[in-house]
Amino acid sequence: DTAVSQTPKYLVTQMGNDKSIKCEQNLGHDTMYWYKQDSKKFLKIMFSYNNKELIINETVPNRFSPKSPDKAHLNLHINSLELGDSAVYFCASSPETGTEAFFGQGTRLTVV
Amino acid sequence: AQSVTQPDIHITVSEGASLELRCNYSYGATPYLFWYVQSPGQGLQLLLKYFSGDTLVQGIKGFEAEFKRSQSSFNLRKPSVHWSDAAEYFCAVGVSGGSQGNLIFGKGTKLSVKP
Repeated sequence: DTAVSQTPKYLVTQMGNDKSIKCEQNLGHDTMYWYKQDSKKFLKIMFSYNNKELIINETVPNRFSPKSPDKAHLNLHINSLELGDSAVYFCASSPETGTEAFFGQGTRLTVV
Repeated sequence: AQSVTQPDIHITVSEGASLELRCNYSYGATPYLFWYVQSPGQGLQLLLKYFSGDTLVQGIKGFEAEFKRSQSSFNLRKPSVHWSDAAEYFCAVGVSGGSQGNLIFGKGTKLSVKP
């Protein structure tokens, strides 16, 4: 059983489209994150949720909107996709904020 | 501000040789420290973590790391590298409290292994 699973693994879409990435964790963790990994492998936090409440919203365009329907899920919706949004997006979860995070396999988003 | 520095972008070692990957952090309180490994096309796997106590921590795959508060360092070591260790390695510091609650990552060190 996959601890943190995100879908889809690959996403190719045209500029201007709206897309969603889903994430689920079965570890019973209270905290979930979205990270963006750029072409140079740099990992940057986008959002952090603790008990379904948003606690971090880094400098991310408001085209990106996270949604946490329950503690086990944290989805990422992206409106009006741009070429610069192409990256690998990782979902992760932690027992509590700042402790070890368990990562999903990533979603490689390519905007053409 | 909290930060993590991995001074080496790319390291190449021969199979069987020892390995040390460097990591320095900046954080006001006692840090939670982590090392992760990322193989091509994969997610990040936790190698080891330091929260408190013994400053030498053991991890999976034969890795260990030593926390040195005086040097703000958390270097990763392995006595004998295997070809399968070739990957990207990330050091991270966990921050929490107030408006913070996440892991801050270094920029990574790519490890190549020569036969």
